[in-house]
Amino acid sequence: EAQVTQNPRYLITVTGKKLTVTCSQNMNHEYMSWYRQDPGLGLRQIYYSMNVEVTDKGDVPEGYKVSRKEKRNFPLILESPSPNQTSLYFCASSLRSGGGAISSYNEQFFGPGTRLTVL
Amino acid sequence: GNSVTQMEGPVTLSEEAFLTINCTYTATGYPSLFWYVQYPGEGLQLLLKATKADDKGSNKGFEATYRKETTSFHLEKGSVQVSDSAVYFCALSEAGNNRKLIWGLGTSLAVNP
Repeated sequence: EAQVTQNPRYLITVTGKKLTVTCSQNMNHEYMSWYRQDPGLGLRQIYYSMNVEVTDKGDVPEGYKVSRKEKRNFPLILESPSPNQTSLYFCASSLRSGGGAISSYNEQFFGPGTRLTVL
Repeated sequence: GNSVTQMEGPVTLSEEAFLTINCTYTATGYPSLFWYVQYPGEGLQLLLKATKADDKGSNKGFEATYRKETTSFHLEKGSVQVSDSAVYFCALSEAGNNRKLIWGLGTSLAVNP
């Protein structure tokens, strides 16, 4: 089954304790992305990756790191979590579309989400 | 900058009622427009999309028409079901950057039997 998986689904931790949220997709997608979802703020992009070893900042990258050593995996790392990083996190992936000034959009597939609480 | 505005929820309807969730956007060029749905406890799923003016996206009884003259992409369904209870997100992808999505804040829909 084609899917994006995230682990853990729920995590409660304390300020300053490093954590990693894993994301894996089995669709051979080039593009992967991390979002956080907060009440009243909607979805905001944290980081994205166009392909292996290619990552870039989204709209709210502060306090987060990512890596893309393999095509299927895109972990989100919080080196020193703080309470303002309490949120619902989603990983997403999609195919990289072809070239051209206006490329056809490729659907983003989302993982089930990780609810993180930082005390 | 580009932005998406959608009506605030929650929206509560009875089964078989008509649904409209308004979405308007601000963008340069010719963005693509999307509706995503998030069922309780799940990630987001693409519901429908439209990539140029006057296109109509449709799926599962839902429809939305890309109206450039009013910069709108309103979501409609003629007869909602309890299983349609979810949060609905309107989004756009910027012209020339089809992987960055600009999101609305989401509209929660509750359908009562």
